[in-house]
Amino acid sequence: AQKVTQAQTEISVVEKEDVTLDCVYETRDTTYYLFWYKQPPSGELVFLIRRNSFDEQNEISGRYSWNFQKSTSSFNFTITASQVVDSAVYFCALSEADQAGTALIFGKGTTLSVSS
Amino acid sequence: GAGVSQSPRYKVAKRGQDVALRCDPISGHVSLFWYQQALGQGPEFLTYFQNEAQLDKSGLPSDRFFAERPEGSVSTLKIQRTQQEDSAVYLCASTPSGAGRTQYFGPGTRLLVL
Repeated sequence: AQKVTQAQTEISVVEKEDVTLDCVYETRDTTYYLFWYKQPPSGELVFLIRRNSFDEQNEISGRYSWNFQKSTSSFNFTITASQVVDSAVYFCALSEADQAGTALIFGKGTTLSVSS
Repeated sequence: GAGVSQSPRYKVAKRGQDVALRCDPISGHVSLFWYQQALGQGPEFLTYFQNEAQLDKSGLPSDRFFAERPEGSVSTLKIQRTQQEDSAVYLCASTPSGAGRTQYFGPGTRLLVL
């Protein structure tokens, strides 16, 4: 069965601190996709990144970076030099890519609060 | 271009009322998903359309829920005889065809059943 676990329910940091959000997934498929979404207070889920299971290269986009490790089934997300605008709920999600129309399996989310 | 839009953004219903939630996907997107997000939880899958065909409705919690997408574009999620446990945010997402594609979400409809 597929499952996504985000063990950190809430994290509070002060501006400019680095913060890492953990994501552990379970799947029996060899082909799958992993995603991170941001949900600010407005409620809309904002897409951040998509990785496929065959690409384990880490990725950096500005202050954001992602560490994908198949050996530990983890796909962690780091925000460097956090800002107040980073405050949101962050979701990790899994999609098995064997066919179109496969729904995303979400974790329960991590609420990040960044104070000034 | 325009993203996914949903209406209404907020809906208050009395228990027993019927409600209809609308989703306008990104133009040209073949696939459309509905999710339900309870307070403090991640979104959970309800149903999936490819064009006008509803190919998966395994996530619909009861026969009071049904969805349609008659012309392969706009979709409506209808909840009959609403119950308090139906209170949640209902999210719509669309994506181009193909496996593993990124789903783009609308702002959601927050439903409160009193």
